[in-house]
Amino acid sequence: QKEVEQDPGPLSVPEGAIVSLNCTYSNSAFQYFMWYRQYSRKGPELLMYTYSSGNKEDGRFTAQVDKSSKYISLFIRDSQPSDSATYLCAMSGNNRLAFGKGNQVVVIP
Amino acid sequence: KAGVTQTPRYLIKTRGQQVTLSCSPISGHRSVSWYQQTPGQGLQFLFEYFSETQRNKGNFPGRFSGRQFSNSRSEMNVSTLELGDSALYLCASTLGQGGYEQYFGPGTRLTVT
Repeated sequence: QKEVEQDPGPLSVPEGAIVSLNCTYSNSAFQYFMWYRQYSRKGPELLMYTYSSGNKEDGRFTAQVDKSSKYISLFIRDSQPSDSATYLCAMSGNNRLAFGKGNQVVVIP
Repeated sequence: KAGVTQTPRYLIKTRGQQVTLSCSPISGHRSVSWYQQTPGQGLQFLFEYFSETQRNKGNFPGRFSGRQFSNSRSEMNVSTLELGDSALYLCASTLGQGGYEQYFGPGTRLTVT
């Protein structure tokens, strides 16, 4: 079983729709959960991070962590064409950092 | 505050050659990590340097090596290049060792022919 599983997509949604992304993981030591956004020909940029279980909201973005299920999610409300990018989940704990493969999102105007 | 910078941005090399990539972290950041990104494998960790010492290493052959200087700048070297080494090489900096908030540079696109 891979340490972090993320469906690569691509995921196409119409502008204004809610985008739902998720990752599962197997390492119980992970305590920090991050989402990165990567535009084409650019490096990933940190979007949000959450410590342990719970929800965190930042504008149109909401991150959820369910440690009991080893499942994390990212929701993008009122999606915009500028949200078209690859979204990578990442997890850290016990001196270990692991990334998902990334999920390509396309928001159609 | 300036972000992470990487040079060169693009590179074309021939099989068997060697290459050196450079990374300058955000001012004040002491940890630099290197990653290889390919469409098939995603983002794979190469190594992390903190205070000029390699602190962590991924599962890559010895052809991949790196170093960090006293000003926290880092270089990565790949010797005896193979076609499979074609990838985007990303550098990320964090304030301390093993930091979870990684700030990435734009990457160096390496093509091996």
